[in-house]
Amino acid sequence: EAQLVETGGGLVQPGGSLRLSCVASEIAFTFSDHYMDWVRQGPGKGLEWVGRIRNRANNYNTDYAPSVKGRFTISRDDSSDSVYLQLNSLKIEDTAVYYCVRAYPPPDFWGPGTRVTVSS
Amino acid sequence: QSVLTQPPSASATPGQRVTISCSGGSSNIGINYVYWYQHLPGAAPKLLIYRNDQRSPGVPDRFSGSKSGTSGSLAISGLRSEDEADYYCAAWDDSLSGRVFGGGTKLTVL
Repeated sequence: EAQLVETGGGLVQPGGSLRLSCVASEIAFTFSDHYMDWVRQGPGKGLEWVGRIRNRANNYNTDYAPSVKGRFTISRDDSSDSVYLQLNSLKIEDTAVYYCVRAYPPPDFWGPGTRVTVSS
Repeated sequence: QSVLTQPPSASATPGQRVTISCSGGSSNIGINYVYWYQHLPGAAPKLLIYRNDQRSPGVPDRFSGSKSGTSGSLAISGLRSEDEADYYCAAWDDSLSGRVFGGGTKLTVL
């Protein structure tokens, strides 16, 4: 069964960094054709879109939510069906479950998420 | 405060039909597709509806979506206890160059 699996979450101090990875396995789709998103959900909060990386045909262009722009960076490695989220200058309000999403073209497909806790 | 506006809660009894609204604007729902997700505690969000009214594979036809102007709607008919969950709408926003979600609607099956 096709799946996306996120790893790299954990506990980090404010101001610290973390790198999340998402690998597509046993996939029945061509990873490199798809845009990939990161979405998060903070404790007691709703879903919040973090950012997107497009495919090679669209020059791997990225977009970010205003709340993370300049601090977070999305990259991908199509040769290993992987997408990454580099989180820098972390704040307490970045505490959340982070989901990797095969976003476009639809229908989209989500990983189970990885938890990031920012605390001193 | 979310760019897309949903009612925070909705409720109905088993077998009934419930509708959840999602209000946006001219830069998001007005010119882009609406998506609907079901989110159960501890699980990944599940796509129900994409491109306004297309059911995701495996989603029963009790779930339907529609769009009119700058608003979208999710309807669930023949309500079941397992439909109790949080529901979110989403759309791309051209002004923000990003995806926006509604604040979510908690559906209670009485």
